Amino acid sequence: DGGITQSPKYLFRKEGQNVTLSCEQNLNHDAMYWYRQDPGQGLRLIYYSQIVNDFQKGDIAEGYSVSREKKESFPLTVTSAQKNPTAFYLCATLKGGQRTGELFFGEGSRLTVL
Amino acid sequence: KQEVTQIPAALSVPEGENLVLNCSFTDSAIYNLQWFRQDPGKGLTSLLLIQSSQREQTSGRLNASLDKSSGRSTLYIAASQPGDSATYLCAVTSGYALNFGKGTSLLVTP
Repeated sequence: DGGITQSPKYLFRKEGQNVTLSCEQNLNHDAMYWYRQDPGQGLRLIYYSQIVNDFQKGDIAEGYSVSREKKESFPLTVTSAQKNPTAFYLCATLKGGQRTGELFFGEGSRLTVL
Repeated sequence: KQEVTQIPAALSVPEGENLVLNCSFTDSAIYNLQWFRQDPGKGLTSLLLIQSSQREQTSGRLNASLDKSSGRSTLYIAASQPGDSATYLCAVTSGYALNFGKGTSLLVTP
């Protein structure tokens, strides 16, 4: 099936640890995004990548890092520098051009810091 | 900075009612607007995409309209069903990525 796969679905982290969230897609879309969702807030953009080996910071990039070595993969690392990492993380891809395209989402990963 | 607002934040209706969800945005220079549905603990599902040159889009019982000049979009749901219960989010593209509203939580009671 074509789609976006995020793993793990649930993740628990101790303070001071780095964790990596996986996002894999087989839709052949060029652009990929990471959003963070907190209760009562809209989605906020962490990082995005429009092409392999290139990525840009979004509105809340501090404490996060990404890589884009393959078109299919866009992993997100939540570092110990992120002050409040407990949240729901959503990966998305863009079908079509940046100005006319349609965004598709994975099922999300919920990170809890113990 | 683009601000997206959705009113109401929550809505409860009996099954069978037609309903309207509202989305407003502060900068009318958008490329497109997208409506999503989100079930609890799940990702977002794309419902409708309206390009800036379009006035409306329809899919089944859903109809979304766009008035770019006034900075507003509405999502019309006809003959609501309990299965429509979810959070509905709108998002506008006016730069490098989408700006999202906080959503309207809809409950359709049998």
